[in-house]
Formats: sequence, structure tokens, C-alpha cells
Amino acid sequence: RKEVEQDPGPFNVPEGATVAFNCTYSNSASQSFFWYRQDCRKEPKLLMSVYSSGNEDGRFTAQLNRASQYISLLIRDSKLSDSATYLCAVEAGGFKTIFGAGTRLFVKA
Amino acid sequence: DADVTQTPRNRITKTGKRIMLECSQTKGHDRMYWYRQDPGLGLRLIYYSFDVKDINKGEISDGYSVSRQAQAKFSLSLESAIPNQTALYFCATSDSRTGPTEAFFGQGTRLTVV
Repeated sequence: RKEVEQDPGPFNVPEGATVAFNCTYSNSASQSFFWYRQDCRKEPKLLMSVYSSGNEDGRFTAQLNRASQYISLLIRDSKLSDSATYLCAVEAGGFKTIFGAGTRLFVKA
Repeated sequence: DADVTQTPRNRITKTGKRIMLECSQTKGHDRMYWYRQDPGLGLRLIYYSFDVKDINKGEISDGYSVSRQAQAKFSLSLESAIPNQTALYFCATSDSRTGPTEAFFGQGTRLTVV
């Protein structure tokens, strides 16, 4: 089993839609959790950190469920510019960061 | 200028050749990482280093070696390149003094082994 697994995608949604991504992790000792965004042929960049209490940044909401060992990302009112690959990342034991395979999102007009 | 710089950006090499990918950073971070990215497999950790004297194997270290020449420099070597090492390679840094530890990536090196 992979340490970090994500919905395979791709997700094709119209502009204005709400879309949710899930990610599960296997190491219960994991301490920190993140969502990164990666545009085509570019490097990943941090979208948001995920806290136990959940956090929101504009149209983006991230949540953590430690009991079930998953994190989620909700995007409301999708924009064309949200089209990208979304990677979840978990800082596992030994402070190394492990990434999921990514989920591609296509937002269409 | 990028805070995390990878050289070269693109490289085509032949099977069996030795190749080095270099990474330098101006962020003053202590932690550095090498990942490779393949379609459908995401980013996989090759090696990571928490300071100059600390080197750790990641998920897929076989066929690779690294050197942390200074806090700001972390190079990845393929001693004898093979075609299945064709991939996009990313160097990343993070700062152990801050938390949660966001990773900052270089622009990537696209390596093709023929």
C-alpha cells in the first residue's frame, strides 16, 4: 500500500462547480499535511497547509481527519485558472515529505 | 532569480553514462530533497538531507547517489544511467525552524536516457 494515495482523476467540471479531492495516508504518526498545486511542466507550489481544525483560504477549504487518516480539499466556484494537478503531501516519520500521485482537474467554460 | 536552482534544465544522455544533476538554494534552508516525477506515479522521494553531514535514502534510492557539498548545494548522481531513469527530477528545500515545513521546489530537470 502506498503511503499517500489520492483520487486518480481526472476531474472534469464546469466553471462554477464545487469539486472535492480526497487523500489517505498510512502512517498514523504523520504530523503535517499539505495540498500543493502543480501546473503543467512546472514545479509544485504550496496551495495550503492542513490543520486539525480545518482551514479555509477564499474558495479553498482543507480538512484533516486523523481518525480515518485522510485529508480533503474542497474548491468552490471553480475557475478556469484552477485547472492543474493537485498533490497532497504528508510529512511522515523522519520528517520526510511524501507526496500522492496527484489528481488532475480540468475546469471547462 | 529562483531561490532553488537546478542545472541542467534538460538533458539527454546515453545508457551507461554517469550524470550529475545539481541543485543550489539561496533560502538558507537546512533540509534538501531530491524527487523524481513520472506520469501517474507522482513525486517519489529519492534522497533527503537534513544538514551537510546527514544523508538519508528515500523510497527509490537504488541507482542514485547524492552529495551535500554545502548547506546550499545538493547534487544527485546517476552512476550508470538506464532508460527507466527517464523522468522529471525536482530538488526541494524546507526549513526545520518553521512549521509546518513547506517544501520549495526548483524548476525541475527533464532527463532522458536513450
